Amino acid sequence: EAGVAQSPRYKIIEKRQSVAFWCNPISGHATLYWYQQILGQGPKLLIQFQNNGVVDDSQLPKDRFSAERLKGVDSTLKIQPAKLEDSAVYLCASSLTRQTNYNDGQFFGPGTRLTVL
Amino acid sequence: AQSVSQHNHHVILSEAASLELGCNYSYGGTVNLFWYVQYPGQHLQLLLKYFSGDPLVKGIKGFEAEFIKSKFSFNLRKPSVQWSDTAEYFCAVNNQGGKLIFGQGTELSVKP
Repeated sequence: EAGVAQSPRYKIIEKRQSVAFWCNPISGHATLYWYQQILGQGPKLLIQFQNNGVVDDSQLPKDRFSAERLKGVDSTLKIQPAKLEDSAVYLCASSLTRQTNYNDGQFFGPGTRLTVL
Repeated sequence: AQSVSQHNHHVILSEAASLELGCNYSYGGTVNLFWYVQYPGQHLQLLLKYFSGDPLVKGIKGFEAEFIKSKFSFNLRKPSVQWSDTAEYFCAVNNQGGKLIFGQGTELSVKP
């Protein structure tokens, strides 16, 4: 079974530039999550999709971050404009459904390491 | 607000030593509990989980964790660590709302 795919793996940009990250979840997984992991901290949920609908985006800084999952499969997370404090690893995860998330946990991709200079 | 606290930021052990990593959470309702592991250069992987039943759960690679509801704890244990257990370990909690809350992580270094 193929895992969660993410690209790019690394990205270096200057502040005020824009950047986009892509995620392809495990086939058949309806629920998709984007997390931000700052160095020395655990992952923090940014946004959760159920199919192509947003379930929870309460911690997404909506003035600069946006995310979409138009066809209910792959997803894109965008930052515009980037700030220095956005330097982090951005993780994508998926689970079969929200219900199985409760019991089975989530499957994570390798992440995208963003450095903002 | 719901939170997860891991007691140790960095633990250094010699091979064959016993391991216990602490995890406490703050939430009064029904929760599911997880330990994830991230080996160097690899992505987060589920180590073990608890959602009901026997409070002592066993995971992969000889790890186990005990859920103590009265102490809001879910400590991870392994009787004898190996060099290959060197990794970062994350405790996580979710409630019926579905959001997964992670602790700050514990880095484990095992000396051969």
